[in-house]
This record gives sequence, structure tokens and C-alpha cells, in this order.
Amino acid sequence: GNSVTQMEGPVTLSEEAFLTINCTYTATGYPSLFWYVQYPGEGLQLLLKATKADDKGSNKGFEATYRKETTSFHLEKGSVQVSDSAVYFCALSSTGNQFYFGTGTSLTVIP
Amino acid sequence: EAGVAQSPRYKIIEKRQSVAFWCNPISGHATLYWYQQILGQGPKLLIQFQNNGVVDDSQLPKDRFSAERLKGVDSTLKIQPAKLEDSAVYLCASSLEARGLDTQYFGPGTRLTVL
Repeated sequence: GNSVTQMEGPVTLSEEAFLTINCTYTATGYPSLFWYVQYPGEGLQLLLKATKADDKGSNKGFEATYRKETTSFHLEKGSVQVSDSAVYFCALSSTGNQFYFGTGTSLTVIP
Repeated sequence: EAGVAQSPRYKIIEKRQSVAFWCNPISGHATLYWYQQILGQGPKLLIQFQNNGVVDDSQLPKDRFSAERLKGVDSTLKIQPAKLEDSAVYLCASSLEARGLDTQYFGPGTRLTVL
């Protein structure tokens, strides 16, 4: 079946630190992979996506590369800001656009 | 472009009562989804509509949950009767089509508390 496993949080970083949030997946076929972000008090927003192996999604300084050989889609950012504090969800989309979400990783960035 | 609208934003009820949530997707989006997000967990798909037909409702507790999407636009999700474990945020999302490449756009959610 399809599933997503994310590193557990919470994660606390100082401003300008490097961020990595690990995500691995299990899927049949060739899924699309996504990172969604949920800021406090708001709904989920798409952060970035990749639709095939070796694709790199990027947005707002965040990047993730679709690695088929390791079934991974780790989220990275070189220098985090306080405004990046949020919950980050890794997700995959299978045939028919059925989404499977990870459990979420809470990030807090302190000044 | 207007986003996905949901109402109410918050609802508190007692167990065994009924509750209904409403969702208006982005104009022109054929596919609509309802998710349940329990505190500390990722969203779990309850039901997926393509226009006004059900594509997937395999995780919908059909003994108490029901959903409809009349005329292929707005949708309502109902719980009757509610249980304590139904306390969660109910998210509505829509996408242009039901293909693996399509981005889902989420509404702000309805936070349900069952006492």
C-alpha cells in the first residue's frame, strides 16, 4: 500500500540554521510527492512538489529532491527564519489523486 | 482567485448530537476531498468526489458519517451521532482534476470538539 513516514518532531532551530526534515515513502507505481506547510491558525498550503524521479521542487528557499532509489523526499533549507515556524507535512499522490500524508513535523525557529 | 471556503470554523457539540459542515471549492475544480485531521496527526482522507460522484469513500465511517456534493459544486459532511473520538479538524480540499499531478488546495478547516 501507500504510506509516508516523516521524522518526528518537534524540531527547534536557531535563526539561520540549516534545516532537514526527512521523509520516506512506500508506494505502488510512480507517485507525485509534495510538501505542505501549515502555519499557526491557518490551513495547509502547498510548499513544493515533484512529479517524477530526480525532479527537484523548490519554493521560498526550501528544496526537496525526488529520490526513487532511496524512496525519499527530504525537505531542506539553508537558512531558516522565525517566519518558517510551522508544521510541515510530506505527502504522496497516487493514481486517482488519492493523497497520503505523513504525521507532520513541527518546526520552531528561535531568534 | 477565491480559495476553498468552509463553515463553520469552530463547532462544539455533545456526544450523540449531530453536526454538519459545509465546503465551497475553488470555482471550476472538479474534485473535492474531505479529510479528518486529529490533533498531532496528518490529514486522513474520508471521501473524494469527482464532480458529484464518489471516487473513494473507503475510510469514511459510514455508520455515522455521510457526505454529498449536489450539482458537483458545494459539499456537506455530516456526523450523526457524534462520538468523542470525532473531535478533530475537518478539512475540505479541491483540485482541478483527479490526476496524480494536480495540487490540492485546502480550506481553513472546521475544528470540531465533541464533549
